[in-house]
Amino acid sequence: KQEVTQIPAALSVPEGENLVLNCSFTDSAIYNLQWFRQDPGKGLTSLLLIQSSQREQTSGRLNASLDKSSGRSTLYIAASQPGDSATYLCAVEETSGSRLTFGEGTQLTVNP
Amino acid sequence: DTGVSQDPRHKITKRGQNVTFRCDPISEHNRLYWYRQTLGQGPEFLTYFQNEAQLEKSRLLSDRFSAERPKGSFSTLEIQRTEQGDSAMYLCASRLQGGPKNIQYFGAGTRLSVL
Repeated sequence: KQEVTQIPAALSVPEGENLVLNCSFTDSAIYNLQWFRQDPGKGLTSLLLIQSSQREQTSGRLNASLDKSSGRSTLYIAASQPGDSATYLCAVEETSGSRLTFGEGTQLTVNP
Repeated sequence: DTGVSQDPRHKITKRGQNVTFRCDPISEHNRLYWYRQTLGQGPEFLTYFQNEAQLEKSRLLSDRFSAERPKGSFSTLEIQRTEQGDSAMYLCASRLQGGPKNIQYFGAGTRLSVL
C-alpha cells in the first residue's frame, strides 16, 4: 500500500527566505507526482505536476524535483512571500487516471 | 469552463440524520472522484467514476456511504445515519481521462459538521 509522508509538518520563515518542502513515498512505481496548495477552508490548487519520466518542473518561483528510485520529491520556493502562506500537499498517482494518495501536508507561514 | 462545483459548501447536521452532497464536474470530464479530508490531514480517497460506472471504492466507504453518478454528469454522495466521526471536508475532483491536461481538478469542498 502506497504511503506518502511530508516533512516538516509545519514551517515558519521570514519573508524573502528560500525554503524546501520534502515528500517521500514508499512505492516507487508511480505514474506521476503532484504538488498542491490549499488555503484554509478551501479546495486544492495544483501547482506542479511531474511525470514519472521527468526529473523536475518549474513554475515561477516554484521548482519541484522527483527522484523516483529513492521515493522522494522536493518543492523549492524561492524568495518566499506572505502570500505563499498555505498548506502544501504532495500526492502520487500510481497509474493513469487512478486515485491520488496524499501526504499530510506542510503548513507554511511566511512572516512579513 | 466554470470549474468543479460542490453544493452545499457547509452542512451542519445532528447525529443520526442523513445528508447528501452534490458535485458538478467540469463539462465533458469523464472521471469524477470523491475524497474526504479531516482537520490537519491530507485528503483520503473514497471512490471514483468513469462516466456513470463506479470503478473503485475505498474501504473507508462504509455501508452508510453511497455515491452515484446516474447520467455520467453530476454525482451525489449520501451519508446515512451520520456519526460525529463523519465530520470532515468532502472534496470532489474531475478529470478528462486521456485528454491533453490529464489531471484532477478539485472543487472547493463541502464541510460537514455532525453534532
